[in-house]
Amino acid sequence: AQSVTQLDSQVPVFEEAPVELRCNYSSSVSVYLFWYVQYPNQGLQLLLKYLSGSTLVKGINGFEAEFNKSQTSFHLRKPSVHISDTAEYFCAVSVNSGNTPLVFGKGTRLSVIA
Amino acid sequence: EAGVAQSPRYKIIEKRQSVAFWCNPISGHATLYWYQQILGQGPKLLIQFQNNGVVDDSQLPKDRFSAERLKGVDSTLKIQPAKLEDSAVYLCASSLVFYTQYFGPGTRLTVL
Repeated sequence: AQSVTQLDSQVPVFEEAPVELRCNYSSSVSVYLFWYVQYPNQGLQLLLKYLSGSTLVKGINGFEAEFNKSQTSFHLRKPSVHISDTAEYFCAVSVNSGNTPLVFGKGTRLSVIA
Repeated sequence: EAGVAQSPRYKIIEKRQSVAFWCNPISGHATLYWYQQILGQGPKLLIQFQNNGVVDDSQLPKDRFSAERLKGVDSTLKIQPAKLEDSAVYLCASSLVFYTQYFGPGTRLTVL
């Protein structure tokens, strides 16, 4: 079975500073990896995904993530955050065979401070 | 393109009452998922449909939860009777290709 660990439950950061949200996964088979963002009282929105190919994945809103197979990590980064990036961020994994559901981490609350 | 629709957005009930949630996926999406998101946690899959057939319901508490997807389009999730621990956000998602799921806004259930 797959599992996802998001190492930080809360990350406060000043506006225009860089940020990294950490995600590690566990799986005995190859996986697809995802980052979703959830704004208050809204559903989840896909930020980016890694399926195959280049290990550096670029997503929406200036976010990027790097897949590291040896470290079993998929950390999310942004070089300069804005107040509007304040939200809950979820890392998720699915087995890369067939139509399998997502297994989510517990989430990281990013708070951008003016 | 319209997104995944869910209703109601909020529901407050007392324990032992029944409740139903509705989901309309993105047009043409064959796969539909229901997730439960308890406060402070990530979403957890309850049930997955492929067209109108169940693919995975291993984490659905079948003594009180039921779900159906008639004609392979809309879906309803029912809880009967509700318990306090069922308080959560219930998210519906759909996908066309198997690796990209699109989520609805969710239904926030409070059980008193």
